[in-house]
Amino acid sequence: AAGVIQSPRHLIKEKRETATLKCYPIPRHDTVYWYQQGPGQDPQFLISFYEKMQSDKGSIPDRFSAQQFSDYHSELNMSSLELGDSALYFCASSLGNEQYFGPGTRLTVT
Amino acid sequence: AQKITQTQPGMFVQEKEAVTLDCTYDTSDPSYGLFWYKQPSSGEMIFLIYQGSYDQQNATEGRYSLNFQKARKSANLVISASQLGDSAMYFCAMREGDAGGTSYGKLTFGQGTILTVHP
Repeated sequence: AAGVIQSPRHLIKEKRETATLKCYPIPRHDTVYWYQQGPGQDPQFLISFYEKMQSDKGSIPDRFSAQQFSDYHSELNMSSLELGDSALYFCASSLGNEQYFGPGTRLTVT
Repeated sequence: AQKITQTQPGMFVQEKEAVTLDCTYDTSDPSYGLFWYKQPSSGEMIFLIYQGSYDQQNATEGRYSLNFQKARKSANLVISASQLGDSAMYFCAMREGDAGGTSYGKLTFGQGTILTVHP
């Protein structure tokens, strides 16, 4: 069965650089979520989209933005990267009750 | 206040035995969903099981079952016949505002429990 696809899987950036993470949800899933998981922590919700419109917003820094495109894929844009942004970034998608996560993008900021 | 509490930082179980991972939650919303995810050392988040607040029966998925006690606000995960591959971090999560079928809300996670299965 198709799963959520995220790219890249690993990303190394320097402070103050920008990063773009991509997410391709499971086909026909209408909602996309982004979560951030710091080292040794539980995932924290950042933002979600339902039918290409922002549906909810969590503790997402102003330096981050996201959007969902007409083909339902989503991108998380991160600017002025800080050391504290180093984390595992998950995209998840859902159609109904179950929420499926992608493999994550591991971002390291040096 | 913590909405999802997992009080067991670590659990150990012998291979082929059953294990229960605890999860309690706090919400005033009558409609909610409870989830369990497995996160192996490789990092991916694997969906295991879902229980809606209005579901009359406890959810089961293969070796996984959810012991849902609504009055106690607990949603413990039971893994039967543990396997070495079950060693991982397990997260309990809640989504508020489930509308008896579909919901588009974010998940709030507990702190996780590391399960180690011994041969």
